[in-house]
Parts: sequence; structure tokens; C-alpha cells
Amino acid sequence: TQLLEQSPQFLSIQEGENLTVYCNSSSVFSSLQWYRQEPGEGPVLLVTVVTGGEVKKLKRLTFQFGDARKDSSLHITAAQTGDTGLYLCAGSNFGNEKLTFGTGTRLTIIP
Amino acid sequence: GAVVSQHPSWVICKSGTSVKIECRSLDFQATTMFWYRQFPKQSLMLMATSNEGSKATYEQGVEKDKFLINHASLTLSTLTVTSAHPEDSSFYICSASIGWDTQYFGPGTRLTVL
Repeated sequence: TQLLEQSPQFLSIQEGENLTVYCNSSSVFSSLQWYRQEPGEGPVLLVTVVTGGEVKKLKRLTFQFGDARKDSSLHITAAQTGDTGLYLCAGSNFGNEKLTFGTGTRLTIIP
Repeated sequence: GAVVSQHPSWVICKSGTSVKIECRSLDFQATTMFWYRQFPKQSLMLMATSNEGSKATYEQGVEKDKFLINHASLTLSTLTVTSAHPEDSSFYICSASIGWDTQYFGPGTRLTVL
């Protein structure tokens, strides 16, 4: 069974600070996705990374896929209150449409 | 594009009754849809994979007779919680896949069983 552990589980920081969320596994994934979920809503896809070492930027968010495709990170620069939410990583393997979700990181940005 | 809807968004029912939740892909066709359950402050737990025109595949520990899934068309999958009990109260989320590595999620349905 493939597992994805996210750290930290909870993070509360001041607006304007930077932060990094990690997603780690002992298994290799063909691709990895990051989602953000707000209370009472479904997850919204932020990015998909597929190549080992790949870095993608989405405004103030930077996503990196590990060289060995076992881990990923999400870095947020100058956090804003609108970044508050549950961040979920999810891995998938070619030929299998199932997603393995990470344990989640609940981020709170304090104004 | 890639919008998935769920109906209802919330439902309250009495113990022992059945509840049907619909999941629709609005602007694309999806041969595969997924049903997840999410407990408060936790991640998503996959319940079953729904394939159009065939029987659903359930994850270990999920009762297929309790959670009936029907995927009658390329844009609609339904989840029926039969003889619901308070422990079935949860947030149920569906998704529709586009390719092997991308799923788009519905807004979720909050079920409360009294």
C-alpha cells in the first residue's frame, strides 16, 4: 500500500511569512498533484507534476517534485489570508486512475 | 471547463432511510468516477471506483450493499446510502477523471443522519 505523509499536519503563521509543506512517500509515483480544499467544499486542483526534479510556479506558490518521484514540496511566499485551507497532495501511477491522498496540512494564515 | 457538480449539497435524514447523492460531470464525459468520504479534519478516503456501464469496485472495508453505486451514463454516477445510521454521517465527495493522473472534484455532500 502506497502512503503519502504530509508535514506539518497543522501550520499557523502570520500574513506575509513564507512556508513550506512537505509530502513524502517511500513509494515512487508517476505523477503527483496538489489540491487545496476549503471547509464544506471539494478539493481544487492546483498543479500536477510528472517529471522528477520538476518545478512549477503558480503565482506565489512553488511546487517541486523530488528527483526520485517519491516526494514533493509546496512553498508559499508572502502568505495571504486567502491561502488558508487544507492542502492535500495526491499521487497516481500510470495506468491506474486511483489517487493516493496525503494526510493533509491544515494551513491558517493570521492577518 | 472540467466542472463536476453534486446534488444535494447537504441532506438530513432519519436513521433507517436511504439517501441518494448524484455526481455529474457538466462539460466533459467521464468513464471513471470516484467516491470519497471525508471525516472532519481528515484527508479523503476512497470508497469506490465507478465505471460507466459496469459494476463499481469497492475499497477494502467498504460495504457494497450499504453504499450502492450506479454509473448509468458518461456524465452521471450516483451513490445511495441504504438504511443510513448516524455513523454514516460524513462529507461525501465525488470526482471524475480526465486521463490517468487528473481528477476534478465535486463540491461535496454533507450527510447528517439523525
